Parts: sequence; structure tokens; C-alpha cells
Amino acid sequence: DQQVKQNSPSLSVQEGRISILNCDYTNSMFDYFLWYKKYPAEGPTFLISISSIKDKNEDGRFTVFLNKSAKHLSLHIVPSQPGDSAVYFCAASGQGGSEKLVFGKGTKLTVNP
Amino acid sequence: KAGVTQTPRYLIKTRGQQVTLSCSPISGHRSVSWYQQTPGQGLQFLFEYFSETQRNKGNFPGRFSGRQFSNSRSEMNVSTLELGDSALYLCASRYISGANVLTFGAGSRLTVL
Repeated sequence: DQQVKQNSPSLSVQEGRISILNCDYTNSMFDYFLWYKKYPAEGPTFLISISSIKDKNEDGRFTVFLNKSAKHLSLHIVPSQPGDSAVYFCAASGQGGSEKLVFGKGTKLTVNP
Repeated sequence: KAGVTQTPRYLIKTRGQQVTLSCSPISGHRSVSWYQQTPGQGLQFLFEYFSETQRNKGNFPGRFSGRQFSNSRSEMNVSTLELGDSALYLCASRYISGANVLTFGAGSRLTVL
């Protein structure tokens, strides 16, 4: 039972354009969502997060949007840069610091110069 | 601050053998989680330890086990290795209170022949 789904295994965009990565979840108890970025031969690194009390969180070129009614979140990268090419994982958990993070299968983003 | 350190980074084993992987968390982090990453499956949760006690466990067979020491360092063990155990094993640490952000190590790449 996959509780966090990233339905696009890969995405290719041109440098300078917007990258939109999508994530859906099924567990209504999730109320904290994170995005991680992973380069080959490295561990995932935390990118940005959002709590369920918000519908948008922004950090520089990265913005995460949350639609609780649709159980959907998305990560926008504007403008996209070649260095953004990596695998992006969506993750979700309950609050409280004691809940495990549940990850999606990842989306491989390629930004072409 | 030093990051999460995992050893060994790469190892090759044969079917039926056992393997032990080590993880040193960030100083002050008392929670250590382990994840398995395989192609097309994303990051699958193995278990989490806090104060030497297993607090959460994923859906893996009993061949997968772990422990945590009083200095928060953790080990995971896989016995009777199978070909399907070939994967990247990731360790992550976090503070137990506040946001659920995990900091990952670079991983241990296990190949089972």
C-alpha cells in the first residue's frame, strides 16, 4: 500500500523554465510534508517542507504548494538550473516528532542547458 | 558539525552471508532511522531507534535487525543475504522534537552476488 505517490518517474525541462514536481498521498493523518533532493552517490538532502496549516511555503527558487482537500502537493522550481538535475523525493509524516517519514518513489529531474 | 557517517560505503557479499552496517549520527541527535533504496522503489523504511529502543519498524522480514548504542551510534544487520537485498542502505538522524527533518548519510551500497 503506497501512501505517498510520485506518478512521474522522470521530468525534463529547459534551463530557465519552471519545473513542477507532483506528489499525492492517501493517508489523511499526514500533516507534515517534505521534499528531498538526491544526487548519485550521495544521501538525500532536505530541500523544503510544509505543515498542513499552510498551503504554500517558499524558499528562494523553491516553492511547495499543498492542497489538502485533493491530498496533493507540488514543488515548483523557478528558474530551473542544470545543477537542479537530481532525483526528488516527496515525504510525509504525522506531527509530534515521533512519526516515521514515508517517502515516494522519486522523480528524476533533468534540466537541459 | 560533522554529518551522518555511514560505514562501509561499498561492500560485496554472497548469498547466505550476513552483513553489518554502521551509522554515526550527528552529535546530539538521539534518533536514528534506516531506509532501503532500490531502483524503482524509492526509500523504504526499515526501523527507527531512539535511546537504544526500537520505536518504529517497517515491513521487512526478521532477517533485518538493528540496534542502537548508548552513544546513539547504530548498526543494522542483515542475515542470510538474498540477491534482492542488493540496495543502498541509508541511515538518517534527527532531533526528536520539533520538525520531522531527517539528515541522511551518504549510504552503504550493498551488492549481493
